[in-house]
Amino acid sequence: AQTVTQSQPEMSVQEAETVTLSCTYDTSENNYYLFWYKQPPSRQMILVIRQEAYKQQNATENRFSVNFQKAAKSFSLKISDSQLGDTAMYFCAFMTGANSKLTFGKGITLSVRP
Amino acid sequence: SQTIHQWPATLVQPVGSPLSLECTVEGTSNPNLYWYRQAAGRGLQLLFYSVGIGQISSEVPQNLSASRPQDRQFILSSKKLLLSDSGFYLCAWNGVGELFFGEGSRLTVL
Repeated sequence: AQTVTQSQPEMSVQEAETVTLSCTYDTSENNYYLFWYKQPPSRQMILVIRQEAYKQQNATENRFSVNFQKAAKSFSLKISDSQLGDTAMYFCAFMTGANSKLTFGKGITLSVRP
Repeated sequence: SQTIHQWPATLVQPVGSPLSLECTVEGTSNPNLYWYRQAAGRGLQLLFYSVGIGQISSEVPQNLSASRPQDRQFILSSKKLLLSDSGFYLCAWNGVGELFFGEGSRLTVL
């Protein structure tokens, strides 16, 4: 069974600074996807970034980038130039191709201070 | 473009009453569909998924059931709600290597 671990329940960052959110996972699969989802106070789940396990290059989306370490089964999210609108809960998630089920971590609450 | 809708957005129900949450997807055919629950302060737990009409897989034993009467319709039900059924319920469908979520339904059981 796949598991996703987010060990930090909360983090806080000053506006315009950089923050890194940690995530580790466990699987015996070789082909899979990893995701970071954002859940703002509206509760809507928004995809932030996606990484395919077969790709060695780390995914980037504007201010968001990941550090994907496949051997260590680590998948951290870096948010650069943090903005107030980044305040939200962030979930790390894992998916295998077989039936596309997402397994989520418990999430981390990120607060961006003005 | 594909969209997903679920309703009602908010529901307050007494213990022992029935439940029906509905989810519909537009703009795609034969999607995999999912129901997740998010309890207060916790992550998302997969409850059910469906790969086609009438095909339902349950991930955890519970007081809830799911049905898929049409290709793009997914329903979450209960005959008698428990206090522990309170939470935020999310429907989702799979795109290519990604899940898209509905707006969510907040259920409070009193």
